[in-house]
Amino acid sequence: RKEVEQDPGPFNVPEGATVAFNCTYSNSASQSFFWYRQDCRKEPKLLMSVYSSGNEDGRFTAQLNRASQYISLLIRDSKLSDSATYLCVVNSPFSSGSARQLTFGSGTQLTVLP
Amino acid sequence: DAGVTQSPTHLIKTRGQHVTLRCSPISGHKSVSWYQQVLGQGPQFIFQYYEKEERGRGNFPDRFSARQFPNYSSELNVNALLLGDSALYLCASSLDGTGMVETQYFGPGTRLLVL
Repeated sequence: RKEVEQDPGPFNVPEGATVAFNCTYSNSASQSFFWYRQDCRKEPKLLMSVYSSGNEDGRFTAQLNRASQYISLLIRDSKLSDSATYLCVVNSPFSSGSARQLTFGSGTQLTVLP
Repeated sequence: DAGVTQSPTHLIKTRGQHVTLRCSPISGHKSVSWYQQVLGQGPQFIFQYYEKEERGRGNFPDRFSARQFPNYSSELNVNALLLGDSALYLCASSLDGTGMVETQYFGPGTRLLVL
């Protein structure tokens, strides 16, 4: 089983649609969570961190359910510029020491159609 | 301010050769992590370095090695290249690599093709 699993996608939605991405993680020691966005042939860029209370940034809302080990991202009123791959990312400690590593899901591709 | 820089941007090698990839972190950042991203997958963690010490290693063979220099820049070396090593190699920098919500900033990556 992969440590971070995401909806396989791809998602093709019309402009203005609401789209939701889901993600589950298996490492219960994980302590922080993120959504990254990756445009075609570019590096991943942080979209938003995910907090237990849920958080919103404009059209984007992220939720975390620690009990279910589940993370979600909701995009409202989608724009053409939202077309990208969305990566669910979990920050977990190494087996020893204090350092932490990012574990990425495989990503979900979103295409917003005019 | 300059972001994370990586060189070269693209590289073509043949099986059995070795390759060295370079990364310069954001000024003030002391931790560098390396990731491999094959087509259609998310980045996979290879190494993390802080203050020239290896802090963690992902599930990669010993053909992969890295080091960090006093100026915090880093090199990733891969020996005896295999076709399966073809990927985008990403470097990420962060302040010290221990913060729970510490952000890692990615460089543009080096695209390696092994023929």
